[in-house]
Amino acid sequence: DTGVSQDPRHKITKRGQNVTFRCDPISEHNRLYWYRQTLGQGPEFLTYFQNEAQLEKSRLLSDRFSAERPKGSFSTLEIQRTEQGDSAMYLCASSGGPGTSGSADTQYFGPGTRLTVL
Amino acid sequence: AQSVTQLGSHVSVSEGALVLLRCNYSSSVPPYLFWYVQYPNQGLQLLLKYTSAATLVKGINGFEAEFKKSETSFHLTKPSAHMSDAAEYFCAVSPNTGGFKTIFGAGTRLFVKA
Repeated sequence: DTGVSQDPRHKITKRGQNVTFRCDPISEHNRLYWYRQTLGQGPEFLTYFQNEAQLEKSRLLSDRFSAERPKGSFSTLEIQRTEQGDSAMYLCASSGGPGTSGSADTQYFGPGTRLTVL
Repeated sequence: AQSVTQLGSHVSVSEGALVLLRCNYSSSVPPYLFWYVQYPNQGLQLLLKYTSAATLVKGINGFEAEFKKSETSFHLTKPSAHMSDAAEYFCAVSPNTGGFKTIFGAGTRLFVKA
């Protein structure tokens, strides 16, 4: 168990550019979550996958945001036409697998990708 | 809709003193409740969780929390603070009636003075 990994750890981009982040969950976990965290705030839920199915999306996830988990393993989060307001830490978490109990499961978080939009 | 309120964005205690971080939730039915800790430049780590079993929950690093339905609270305590406890603490709620959307509070930064 190597934990949840995220790549890149830091991304600086210019306004209007597209960016893509990757999350590799713990291998036996079937649930994967994306959150956004801005300075001084707690993580805000963006979206959630059960295996490859995206089951819930926050209204925070505008049309410029898209997330995929094509094979039920790693996930990508893409932001198109970035805006300065997109600057934040993007966190990925995973949970689930054999012997787990649904929404009471512990979520294991990655270190996050810090996005800065200039 | 569920929500979480953490009272106090900053709490400062002396080393060896009691730590009390406050969390109140709003939910139509008792939800699952969590406390996570975040150290600088690291991801969140679970301290403890309430899943409708015992109302007094013990977690890692000497922390515990008590679920009080009448007060809709889930305050985090530790009898004696250690310098290594300095971090950001988040209370979170998730539904026990379906769905996996977890709502986090704004966080409380704990400072420990020598």
